[in-house]
Amino acid sequence: DAGVIQSPRHEVTEMGQEVTLRCKPISGHNSLFWYRQTMMRGLELLIYFNNNVPIDDSGMPEDRFSAKMPNASFSTLKIQPSEPRDSAVYFCASSFSASEQFFGPGTRLTVL
Amino acid sequence: GESVGLHLPTLSVQEGDNSIINCAYSNSASDYFIWYKQESGKGPQFIIDIRSNMDKRQGQRVTVLLNKTVKHLSLQIAATQPGDSAVYFCAERQAGTASKLTFGTGTRLQVTL
Repeated sequence: DAGVIQSPRHEVTEMGQEVTLRCKPISGHNSLFWYRQTMMRGLELLIYFNNNVPIDDSGMPEDRFSAKMPNASFSTLKIQPSEPRDSAVYFCASSFSASEQFFGPGTRLTVL
Repeated sequence: GESVGLHLPTLSVQEGDNSIINCAYSNSASDYFIWYKQESGKGPQFIIDIRSNMDKRQGQRVTVLLNKTVKHLSLQIAATQPGDSAVYFCAERQAGTASKLTFGTGTRLQVTL
């Protein structure tokens, strides 16, 4: 079992650029979650999907953030335009029904 | 708004001793709680969970205690090992939200030799 796969693992970009983070959940899981982790705010839920449908996006900070899940095996989180305050580690997690969530290794984003 | 919080940001324990990590939650509607362990450079890893109809649950070297009266959750690690050094998060799920978890701020456990 490969677990949750995220890419890239590290991303360095300049302010104003578009950033796309990718996630492949564990096969058979029907829920997918995007989190952001910073020293100041800890681990925050941005959005989650059930059966590819967005259920709760109340954690998405602003319109610059968007997430999609075109199929059961792939999701993206896009930031456009990116700002320095978006610098954080972004985690994707997946679960089956309401069971425990399995986290990916994260993407460390640095916006200069 | 309601949130999950931790009492101690850093806990230092000698190898072989038992560790107790505490967590206070404020949402009485939460029905499910999880402890996660996060090592440096990695994502959170599931340790143990407990439902609100239980007071105690044991795993391998770990025990979770839930006191709903005072809204308190604790993680006990027996015979702490250097590999237990990490940040530990508690998380709660509000009843009726199916999958949504709210995480605490985390406690760093340092195991000294």
